[in-house]
Amino acid sequence: NAGVTQTPKFQVLKTGQSMTLQCAQDMNHEYMSWYRQDPGMGLRLIHYSVGAGITDQGEVPNGYNVSRSTTEDFPLRLLSAAPSQTSVYFCASSPRWGNEKLFFGSGTQLSVL
Amino acid sequence: RKEVEQDPGPFNVPEGATVAFNCTYSNSASQSFFWYRQDCRKEPKLLMSVYSSGNEDGRFTAQLNRASQYISLLIRDSKLSDSATYLCVVSRDSGGGADGLTFGKGTHLIIQP
Repeated sequence: NAGVTQTPKFQVLKTGQSMTLQCAQDMNHEYMSWYRQDPGMGLRLIHYSVGAGITDQGEVPNGYNVSRSTTEDFPLRLLSAAPSQTSVYFCASSPRWGNEKLFFGSGTQLSVL
Repeated sequence: RKEVEQDPGPFNVPEGATVAFNCTYSNSASQSFFWYRQDCRKEPKLLMSVYSSGNEDGRFTAQLNRASQYISLLIRDSKLSDSATYLCVVSRDSGGGADGLTFGKGTHLIIQP
């Protein structure tokens, strides 16, 4: 049981490049989400999904897209990377939307030059 | 008042001592409260939920004070392995749901030998 798996662990992009951060969970969790963590700030919600085929915006969605075609996978796409998107990104899941206990992936450290 | 406030520390505490820190929240409608632990460059992990009646898990005790709108975490007989950042997490409203969580910036704890 791997839990929540994120790839890659590190990534460097140039401004304007696009990329996809991968997130997969093997716990059959309905709820999945993406957070970013910046120095001196709490984790902020980017996008979330309450089940396959359903996604919604969080607190800081601009510049990011998500999709949820399967229960297991919830990729985060950066459309045109900007230096302001330099951050540590965490994927998290929980059994269902009403269960507020989150399981986090190990994170992706992204630098945009 | 900010939504969730924590003293960033660092709290430098000798091994074996008892340490406590608080987290204040601004939304009186908040219903769910959690403490997460985050080791350096790692993902947050749920330490414990905080219940109205208070709860204890080994050396850790969490309490909720609704009148003054704060939660607390007390660690007894501290170990070197307790060194970490402790994140306070509060639900934004009474509706429930994992997308409605607000994360504090964390309190950095260093246990010294």
